[in-house]
Amino acid sequence: TQLLEQSPQFLSIQEGENLTVYCNSSSVFSSLQWYRQEPGEGPVLLVTVVTGGEVKKLKRLTFQFGDARKDSSLHITAAQPGDTGLYLCAGATKAAGNKLTFGGGTRVLVKP
Amino acid sequence: DSGVTQTPKHLITATGQRVTLRCSPRSGDLSVYWYQQSLDQGLQFLIQYYNGEERAKGNILERFSAQQFPDLHSELNLSSLELGDSALYFCASSVKTGPPLFSNTEAFFGQGTRLTVV
Repeated sequence: TQLLEQSPQFLSIQEGENLTVYCNSSSVFSSLQWYRQEPGEGPVLLVTVVTGGEVKKLKRLTFQFGDARKDSSLHITAAQPGDTGLYLCAGATKAAGNKLTFGGGTRVLVKP
Repeated sequence: DSGVTQTPKHLITATGQRVTLRCSPRSGDLSVYWYQQSLDQGLQFLIQYYNGEERAKGNILERFSAQQFPDLHSELNLSSLELGDSALYFCASSVKTGPPLFSNTEAFFGQGTRLTVV
């Protein structure tokens, strides 16, 4: 069973602070995605990582895929209120027919 | 706009009833996923179809069923509804080429259908 665990479950910070969200599994993934979901909306894809050790940057967001492709992290620098939302990681494996499995999510609140 | 269309956006129905949720995937996408999201919860995978065939099953109740039609749109049927079935139901589509050619999966989500069972 692919189980993706995200931590922390909830994070409340002040505008301008940094934060890191973690996504861990015992499974090896062929790819891993990060999504952000706002209330009442569907998740929106932020990034896909496929290579162990890969680092991708999207403005103030930095995504890292673990060397063993079992874990990932999302780091936000100088968070802004617009970064508030539910951050979800999702992984897929060829063995599971590329079924996308989601972590439980990290709810981030950035206070002005 | 993700290109994935879900209808209806909202649905209120009584316990014991049956409803059908509809999803039109992005043009060219062959795979459709259905997810359930209860209040303040993560996304629970229900079922996946690829090019009309069931590809993977998650925690889908026997009261629920789905299918993908030749034009690739999909329907999720929920029957004998209970109060606990109230949730957001999301459809996502992915994959413009079939396995084993692709090595990653990116899903594009619809806006969801908010189901309220009263």
